[in-house]
Amino acid sequence: NAGVTQTPKFRILKIGQSMTLQCAQDMNHNYMYWYRQDPGMGLKLIYYSVGAGITDKGEVPNGYNVSRSTTEDFPLRLELAAPSQTSVYFCASSYYSWGTGPWSYGYTFGSGTRLTVV
Amino acid sequence: DAKTTQPPSMDCAEGRAANLPCNHSTISGNEYVYWYRQIHSQGPQYIIHGLKNNETNEMASLIITEDRKSSTLILPHATLRDTAVYYCIVRANFGNEKLTFGTGTRLTIIP
Repeated sequence: NAGVTQTPKFRILKIGQSMTLQCAQDMNHNYMYWYRQDPGMGLKLIYYSVGAGITDKGEVPNGYNVSRSTTEDFPLRLELAAPSQTSVYFCASSYYSWGTGPWSYGYTFGSGTRLTVV
Repeated sequence: DAKTTQPPSMDCAEGRAANLPCNHSTISGNEYVYWYRQIHSQGPQYIIHGLKNNETNEMASLIITEDRKSSTLILPHATLRDTAVYYCIVRANFGNEKLTFGTGTRLTIIP
């Protein structure tokens, strides 16, 4: 049981390049999230998904896109990378049952992707 | 989500109990108190959560005041590995409610 797996762990991009940050979970969680964390700051929500085929914007979605074609995977796409996107990106997942909530064990986070745009 | 207020930093001697306070004076009746921690740039780790009763698990205890306007996370016997940033978050447990992180408390365990 790997939990939440993020790849790559590190990446350097040039301004204007694009890339996809991968996130996969094997816990059959229905909810998935992408956060970014700038130095010395708390995490900010970029996008989230409540199930396959359903995504929605978080607090800081500009410059990013997501898709959720399967329950397990939730990739984050950066188009036209900018220096302001230099950050650490965390993917997370959780399970919510509309009949039996709350989230008993909270969110499970991946180990992060450290992205530098130069 | 209701806002929380935490001290920016705290120190605690190794082996002693670490008591981390959190104020959440505008918490609503359906909002839970969650605690997470983040060890040196790793992904945040869930610790504990509660609504109004005190809670305990293998990691920590959570004490919530009767008026629910504040809470305290207690690490009973702090070790060096407990050095981390601790986040107190209040949030309703509805399906579309997300975790909103502040800047937390940086806890340093001193040998």
